[in-house]
Amino acid sequence: NAGVTQTPKFRVLKTGQSMTLLCAQDMNHEYMYWYRQDPGMGLRLIHYSVGEGTTAKGEVPDGYNVSRLKKQNFLLGLESAAPSQTSVYFCASRGSGGGSYNEQFFGPGTRLTVL
Amino acid sequence: AQSVTQLGSHVSVSEGALVLLRCNYSSSVPPYLFWYVQYPNQGLQLLLKYTTGATLVKGINGFEAEFKKSETSFHLTKPSAHMSDAAEYFCAVSADTGRRALTFGSGTRLQVQP
Repeated sequence: NAGVTQTPKFRVLKTGQSMTLLCAQDMNHEYMYWYRQDPGMGLRLIHYSVGEGTTAKGEVPDGYNVSRLKKQNFLLGLESAAPSQTSVYFCASRGSGGGSYNEQFFGPGTRLTVL
Repeated sequence: AQSVTQLGSHVSVSEGALVLLRCNYSSSVPPYLFWYVQYPNQGLQLLLKYTTGATLVKGINGFEAEFKKSETSFHLTKPSAHMSDAAEYFCAVSADTGRRALTFGSGTRLQVQP
């Protein structure tokens, strides 16, 4: 099992450009999440999905869109990148059973720089 | 609503010394608590978690944490630091039965001096 994978690992964008980050998991998990990590702020939830075809906003959703067309994939889109979106982006997934204490599994991250 | 406060953004210890990383939480419902570790340029790895039952939780790599409800704390400890423990550590709480997302603290970077 590859677990949670993210594509690409690094990307540099110019202000106003668009891009899509891909997250894939092979654990048949229902829940998937996108977080961003900024120095001194921990990880903050951008968007999440509780199942195929569903998405919802987290704490910092502005400037991002997401889609979950297939259960194993969760895409994060930036329509018009801004320097404030320079960050490290992590995808995570977890199963639906067992309650809130189930472990989230994290991908290796995507380091995005917006110039 | 839930929140996590990690006291000390940087902690430095000598190899072989006690490691103590502090975490306090706020939650309106009984929380589930986690510690994750992040090595440079890597993702997050679960160290340990508290769900219910025993308040002293043992994790990987010799780490343990104690849930103290009266103090709303979940401090992480290790009796003897090793150079390989140098990393960033995140405390997180999950008390949201809907989206079941994690709320993270701001992290503590642990340095281990030889």
